[in-house]
Amino acid sequence: GAGVSQTPSNKVTEKGKYVELRCDPISGHTALYWYRQSLGQGPEFLIYFQGTGAADDSGLPNDRFFAVRPEGSVSTLKIQRTERGDSAVYLCASSLWTGGKNEQFFGPGTRLTVL
Amino acid sequence: RKEVEQDPGPFNVPEGATVAFNCTYSNSASQSFFWYRQDCRKEPKLLMSVYSSGNEDGRFTAQLNRASQYISLLIRDSKLSDSATYLCVVMEYGNKLVFGAGTILRVKS
Repeated sequence: GAGVSQTPSNKVTEKGKYVELRCDPISGHTALYWYRQSLGQGPEFLIYFQGTGAADDSGLPNDRFFAVRPEGSVSTLKIQRTERGDSAVYLCASSLWTGGKNEQFFGPGTRLTVL
Repeated sequence: RKEVEQDPGPFNVPEGATVAFNCTYSNSASQSFFWYRQDCRKEPKLLMSVYSSGNEDGRFTAQLNRASQYISLLIRDSKLSDSATYLCVVMEYGNKLVFGAGTILRVKS
């Protein structure tokens, strides 16, 4: 079956612009997560959705970052007034939350470059 | 102190060698533990979950010591294809994954 997909795979933008990054989770997975990975580091948690609602957005760095998942499937991460420090790979993961181990499966990521 | 700490390596080993990676975590309330593998410019892929009793999957063995807050991964009979970055991962309350910075493994012929 299809894995997690993310679009675009690469995005180059200018400082101050607005960007949207899309994630399509594995079919049937109720939980969806966004992470950000900088060079030489492990991914860092941004936000987690259970269904349509954001269950934990404690990792969003500031109010320029926002994410939605209106129908409980596809999610969009939105970044306003981009800054050079936002450049990173943005990873999406999904899981079939059964109350057990909750293994998360990652998409290929969107590489964001802010010039 | 970082929440999850790993030796960054790189570990350079010959084919057929046995190699072990260690990891420590700071949050004693952490609930689940994993090893992920990440190839260059690719996404992390789940290698194995780690259970308290220790678990094995082919050439890979994972151990967890909750008292010492320590996780390990042992790879036996290393293959060239094992070359990658190995990420130690802890799940905290609320399903948030906390990643170490990764350990680089290079297997050479």
